[in-house]
Amino acid sequence: QQQVKQSPQSLIVQKGGISIINCAYENTAFDYFPWYQQFPGKGPALLIAIRPDVSEKKEGRFTISFNKSAKQFSLHIMDSQPGDSATYFCAASKASGTYKYIFGTGTRLKVLA
Amino acid sequence: SAVISQKPSRDICQRGTSLTIQCQVDSQVTMMFWYRQQPGQSLTLIATANQGSEATYESGFVIDKFPISRPNLTFSTLTVSNMSPEDSSIYLCSASDRNTEAFFGQGTRLTVV
Repeated sequence: QQQVKQSPQSLIVQKGGISIINCAYENTAFDYFPWYQQFPGKGPALLIAIRPDVSEKKEGRFTISFNKSAKQFSLHIMDSQPGDSATYFCAASKASGTYKYIFGTGTRLKVLA
Repeated sequence: SAVISQKPSRDICQRGTSLTIQCQVDSQVTMMFWYRQQPGQSLTLIATANQGSEATYESGFVIDKFPISRPNLTFSTLTVSNMSPEDSSIYLCSASDRNTEAFFGQGTRLTVV
């Protein structure tokens, strides 16, 4: 399977700060890039997603920045809250509409109160 | 988004036995997938469950070890056969429909002793 590299592995942020998680992919055929949030004991839940025809997408406190030429994308969580403490996975799909994902290795985020 | 129910939520099994995990979606979906997630690790795609035909397996996964059924558009099963302690993991069902994101069940936590 094609790799999606994710960093950092873990992240500690103060309440109100900005959390930034980065991902890089190899296969230029990828055309859908979601971010999932997973709490302990739960399945992953879609947070936000982007397609390569835009460079940025914002939903509330969550923003994806996408750099097609560098094959990189990142998640920014503004005004981070303790309730955001979870594991975040980036993913990529190379077949539009099938949502067969290759996942990154995950980032464990802890937001301190 | 649709709701996925997985059964069982967890199980402890003896080595050499088999376990069948059920995945029920509350609406018809085009695609269903099975993933494996080692505790604290990322998600690895096992196979795509195809309705009315044999599942499509990813590299490293074979039908004899992980037989999959999908008799209709809302239901699928994954069997983990002849289990060993290395099969201890979380198994996740995922589903999507055309032009919608993929959503996940809560997972089945399997421990093989």
